Amino acid sequence: VLTQSPATLSLSPGERATLSCRASQSVGSNLVWYQQKPGQAPRLLIYDTSKRATGVPARFSGSGSGTDFTLTVSSLEPEDFAVYYCQQRSHWPPITFGQGTRLDIK
Amino acid sequence: EVQLVESGGGLVQPGGSLRLSCAASGFIYSSYWMSWVRQAPGKGLEWVANIKRDGTDKYYDDSVKGRFAISRDNAKKSLSLQMNNVRVEDTAVYFCARGAVDDSGNYCFDNWGQGTLVTVSS
Repeated sequence: VLTQSPATLSLSPGERATLSCRASQSVGSNLVWYQQKPGQAPRLLIYDTSKRATGVPARFSGSGSGTDFTLTVSSLEPEDFAVYYCQQRSHWPPITFGQGTRLDIK
Repeated sequence: EVQLVESGGGLVQPGGSLRLSCAASGFIYSSYWMSWVRQAPGKGLEWVANIKRDGTDKYYDDSVKGRFAISRDNAKKSLSLQMNNVRVEDTAVYFCARGAVDDSGNYCFDNWGQGTLVTVSS
């Protein structure tokens, strides 16, 4: 089970965002983050805890290991306000996602 | 450019059947695992099924096992999901996604289609 916190985060452009994902058992470094904007498909952001997917800006970074992981957006841009999901990629089936963190404009 | 285009969604009655399709382009289709992931209205992401590159291995979430069947046609670069005995709780947008599998078998989804809406209602 993956638990994301907070459920909603309200911040202003230019601020730093820190999103958390906690696994009920160790997933090593096999943790993935996706971004989903309203009405759009999810987009792969980060895989293997800290590797940015192709085209992902450097303001997105991931860290952690084992059971505790963090997605950080160093300075929020208007296009970063979205829902973020974590996913563990090692113990499958099933493939599981966190319940999501909504990043709102304050 | 990787493109995944789903089709086949619509309204279906409980207990009925529906077949979803996904047309792939822009990559060597036969080299990739493929998946279906769904999202109920206003809810989070839920994995549905995976299929191996050559179609020999298939995996399902328990919630759809025995009712849904994933298949692929590498010659036509297409992915399908046959949905039988559907339930109200199967109502969701269904996304076709390309699998990214590393040497250890760890799995994530590196490209997604825009999704097709399935509504199960009487």
